[in-house]
Amino acid sequence: GAVVSQHPSRVICKSGTSVKIECRSLDFQATTMFWYRQFPKQSLMLMATSNEGSKATYEQGVEKDKFLINHASLTLSTLTVTSAHPEDSSFYICSARVVGGSNSPLHFGNGTRLTVT
Amino acid sequence: GDSVTQMEGPVTLSEEAFLTINCTYTATGYPSLFWYVQYPGEGLQLLLKATKADDKGSNKGFEATYRKETTSFHLEKGSVQVSDSAVYFCALIYNQGGKLIFGQGTELSVKP
Repeated sequence: GAVVSQHPSRVICKSGTSVKIECRSLDFQATTMFWYRQFPKQSLMLMATSNEGSKATYEQGVEKDKFLINHASLTLSTLTVTSAHPEDSSFYICSARVVGGSNSPLHFGNGTRLTVT
Repeated sequence: GDSVTQMEGPVTLSEEAFLTINCTYTATGYPSLFWYVQYPGEGLQLLLKATKADDKGSNKGFEATYRKETTSFHLEKGSVQVSDSAVYFCALIYNQGGKLIFGQGTELSVKP
């Protein structure tokens, strides 16, 4: 089956530093990946759509200069949280779609728990 | 816009009880519908899906039927186990960029 690998699974960083999260599709190519953010006991909020070889599309209210997304290859997208602050602490999850039409299901990574101290 | 509404949790059941988690949606046209499950501290796993009206998705004893007339996709299982304890998300994809739109999630707790 389609496997999406996310790394790291947990990261603790100091306020003001930057953190990079990687999302890889291990056994398929993904022209589109999606980044979600989840607060405790809440649903997933779509942050941005990452398109291979082009700029990411951000959802309303998401700061593109703070959450930098790079989709340099068909199997890798990265999310960099720049100048992190405690309010950025959250669970970040990436997902990717197996090529097969925009209505095919998304496959999710296991998420990254970011804690900013 | 497109949206998904789930019944509020938490839902607490005894082992072997019958489970229903309600899900209704609002969308223009004919979206594909999904149920995802999230175990504590993990990402989401696709549980089942249905792509057109009257389709029934099923997996691991869970079932859901795409009901266009009631715009619903309720999740059911005849006999739950402790290992089914998790958060369940109903979701839809419509052709607008293929974004997955989630319901708010329903936490299920199954007691022995």
